Amino acid sequence: RKEVEQDPGPFNVPEGATVAFNCTYSNSASQSFFWYRQDCRKEPKLLMSVYSSGNEDGRFTAQLNRASQYISLLIRDSKLSDSATYLCVVRRAGAGNNRKLIWGLGTSLAVNP
Amino acid sequence: DVKVTQSSRYLVKRTGEKVFLECVQDMDHENMFWYRQDPGLGLRLIYFSYDVKMKEKGDIPEGYSVSREKKERFSLILESASTNQTSMYLCASSNELGQYFGPGTRLTVT
Repeated sequence: RKEVEQDPGPFNVPEGATVAFNCTYSNSASQSFFWYRQDCRKEPKLLMSVYSSGNEDGRFTAQLNRASQYISLLIRDSKLSDSATYLCVVRRAGAGNNRKLIWGLGTSLAVNP
Repeated sequence: DVKVTQSSRYLVKRTGEKVFLECVQDMDHENMFWYRQDPGLGLRLIYFSYDVKMKEKGDIPEGYSVSREKKERFSLILESASTNQTSMYLCASSNELGQYFGPGTRLTVT
């Protein structure tokens, strides 16, 4: 079993839709959580960190459920420009200052006109 | 804005050649990383460095070495390139907020 697992998708949604991705992690001592976005043939870019209380950045909401060991990303009012692969990332306990992260394989999102 | 640059976007090398991939960051980050990314396998950590002249093996260090002589520069070396090292190579540096990537080098070994 992979340490970080994501549904690869693809998720095909119309513009304006709300879409949610989940990501599960197996190491209960995992300490920090992130969502990255990667466009085709580009480098990953940090989308947002995920805090225990949940956090929101515009149309994006991230949540953490430590009991069930998953994190989620909700995108409201989807735009064509949201089409990308979304990578779930977990930092192991004790790694310190993002020295070593565990990456999911990503969930592909296509927003259609 | 954090800026991470990599020496080449595309590189074609022959089997057995020694290959140098250079990465430079301008944010005075202590931590730097080299990954490779392959379809279906995701991002895999090759080596990382948390200080000048310090390095640690990642998950797939075989066939690679690294050099960190200056804080801003982290080099990945393929001592003798092989076809199974054909991949996208991504360099990153990090602070407490996250990792920041360069644009990647697509290396083809023929």
